[in-house]
Amino acid sequence: EDQVTQSPEALRLQEGESSSLNCSYTVSGLRGLFWYRQDPGKGPEFLFTLYSAGEEKEKERLKATLTKKESFLHITAPKPEDSATYLCAVIATGGGNKLTFGTGTQLKVEL
Amino acid sequence: DGGITQSPKYLFRKEGQNVTLSCEQNLNHDAMYWYRQDPGQGLRLIYYSQIVNDFQKGDIAEGYSVSREKKESFPLTVTSAQKNPTAFYLCASTTQGSFSGNTIYFGEGSWLTVV
Repeated sequence: EDQVTQSPEALRLQEGESSSLNCSYTVSGLRGLFWYRQDPGKGPEFLFTLYSAGEEKEKERLKATLTKKESFLHITAPKPEDSATYLCAVIATGGGNKLTFGTGTQLKVEL
Repeated sequence: DGGITQSPKYLFRKEGQNVTLSCEQNLNHDAMYWYRQDPGQGLRLIYYSQIVNDFQKGDIAEGYSVSREKKESFPLTVTSAQKNPTAFYLCASTTQGSFSGNTIYFGEGSWLTVV
């Protein structure tokens, strides 16, 4: 069974204090790993897709990396508007196009 | 505007009632999905459809039903058999075929509360 575990469950940062969110996964074979941002009461907003170990993608203050067992979402010099829940999801080979999600990391960035 | 439209945003259901959540997309996507989100449990897959007139059960299909008569529409019915339906429901869609470069997009969600 495909599994995705995210840590920490919650993270509180000061503005400008860089940190990383972790997503560990167990799948029979990885077709893709996704990062989403979700604001309260809203649908998830797509951030990145990673396909193979060693791949990295960046967008503004966010950088996602992938190894064979986990992915990291690095947040550099965060701002209060980066506060949200960050979701990680995977699609396994032979799993059709089904996303399996982790439970998310709730990030709060304070002034 | 292109995207996924879910309606209603808020819905209240009485015990024993069936309710239907609407999901429409104008992205010309082949595949559509329904997820349920509960606090602390992440998103769980209810049903998905990869082509018109075909759909498969996800991990928590019991008490739900769907139809896919049109490419752009994938309504979800929450039946009275669903014992704990209060949740946030999310519809999503993506293109089919090779997954390279594909993105799964989500709607804004529907809140269902049992009263």
